[in-house]
Amino acid sequence: DTAVSQTPKYLVTQMGNDKSIKCEQNLGHDTMYWYKQDSKKFLKIMFSYNNKELIINETVPNRFSPKSPDKAHLNLHINSLELGDSAVYFCASSQDGAHEQFFGPGTRLTVL
Amino acid sequence: SQQGEEDPQALSIQEGENATMNCSYKTSINNLQWYRQNSGRGLVHLILIRSNEREKHSGRLRVTLDTSKKSSSLLITASRAADTASYFCATDNNDMRFGAGTRLTVKP
Repeated sequence: DTAVSQTPKYLVTQMGNDKSIKCEQNLGHDTMYWYKQDSKKFLKIMFSYNNKELIINETVPNRFSPKSPDKAHLNLHINSLELGDSAVYFCASSQDGAHEQFFGPGTRLTVL
Repeated sequence: SQQGEEDPQALSIQEGENATMNCSYKTSINNLQWYRQNSGRGLVHLILIRSNEREKHSGRLRVTLDTSKKSSSLLITASRAADTASYFCATDNNDMRFGAGTRLTVKP
């Protein structure tokens, strides 16, 4: 039983395209996150959602937009993809901001 | 915002040796957590230590926390090749921040 799942696992696309990455958690958690891990392995938080409300929005380009249709899902939509968007994107969830996070397997995005 | 910063960036040891990784942070915290990441995978939670705790054990893992120095250390004893991974610390102050991690290689 997968706790946090992401699709797709790999995504290869051209510059300028729009793409989405989906994330679902079946843990009943209230908070979900999106992280970007670059080639140097630095893990940077992008967004977090608590009960469908955005509570953290790091200074990411507005081409990135999180969409949460319900508490169990937090999808990441990216418009006008750029080369620098190539990275591994991780979704995570937690009971709240002070508890451990459970991570998805990651989505490796390659922009050509 | 604050984040944990791990050092060293990379550590290579022989199987059976102990591995020590350090983490520093900048402002007050409620707790500090250590995570492990195998190559190309998501992070797995290892251990959480609260600000009023000084030391915590879990199996071969020992974590210390010095709030006066704003630092923590993760000790893995009797390391195994399977311990090869990147290790991250994360601090919370109503949110979570990660450092760049320490890449541990345990040679068989």
